[in-house]
Amino acid sequence: GAVVSQHPSRVICKSGTSVKIECRSLDFQATTMFWYRQFPKQSLMLMATSNEGSKATYEQGVEKDKFLINHASLTLSTLTVTSAHPEDSSFYICSARLPGQGAWTEAFFGQGTRLTVV
Amino acid sequence: DAKTTQPPSMDCAEGRAANLPCNHSTISGNEYVYWYRQIHSQGPQYIIHGLKNNETNEMASLIITEDRKSSTLILPHATLRDTAVYYCIVAYNFNKFYFGSGTKLNVKP
Repeated sequence: GAVVSQHPSRVICKSGTSVKIECRSLDFQATTMFWYRQFPKQSLMLMATSNEGSKATYEQGVEKDKFLINHASLTLSTLTVTSAHPEDSSFYICSARLPGQGAWTEAFFGQGTRLTVV
Repeated sequence: DAKTTQPPSMDCAEGRAANLPCNHSTISGNEYVYWYRQIHSQGPQYIIHGLKNNETNEMASLIITEDRKSSTLILPHATLRDTAVYYCIVAYNFNKFYFGSGTKLNVKP
């Protein structure tokens, strides 16, 4: 199946700094990518939809100025957590859809990035 | 918002079939039922999806009731590696996924 890769898999940063997480579709072009956040022992929460060449669409309650999303190419979307604080510590996961319409355009998930803010 | 209800946990003996139920009583006509699973600290893995007909692939079978208000994921011969959290999601065309709390399946030897 198609592969979605995230980098880094783990990152520790100091409070107040910014962290960038990359999401790449390795063997297909993804016009749409999604970013999720997952706190320990909780489910995944959709943060935003990333569209290639246009602004991301954020879910209600997600601060767009804090979580900057850039989808500059068909194979790369980045999530930057700006001025990170300990409460931003979480598991961040991206997913990407195969291009095309219809029911058979599968969505694949990356392996996730564990962010710890100290 | 999540539109599905699943039991928080289930146990299954290794080698037996695991039947995981999901209620989605507010599903609309153009929404599909998707099943993903998440093994600890990994990204979700696609299992199967369907609209109204029953579906089967190499991993599992999906049974959707005629009124489409509920479905059951069947793992025919569960193994220890199937221990995971299983998520039932309703969405249109692999679009935005709003995850519910899922079912933690514990496969026991």
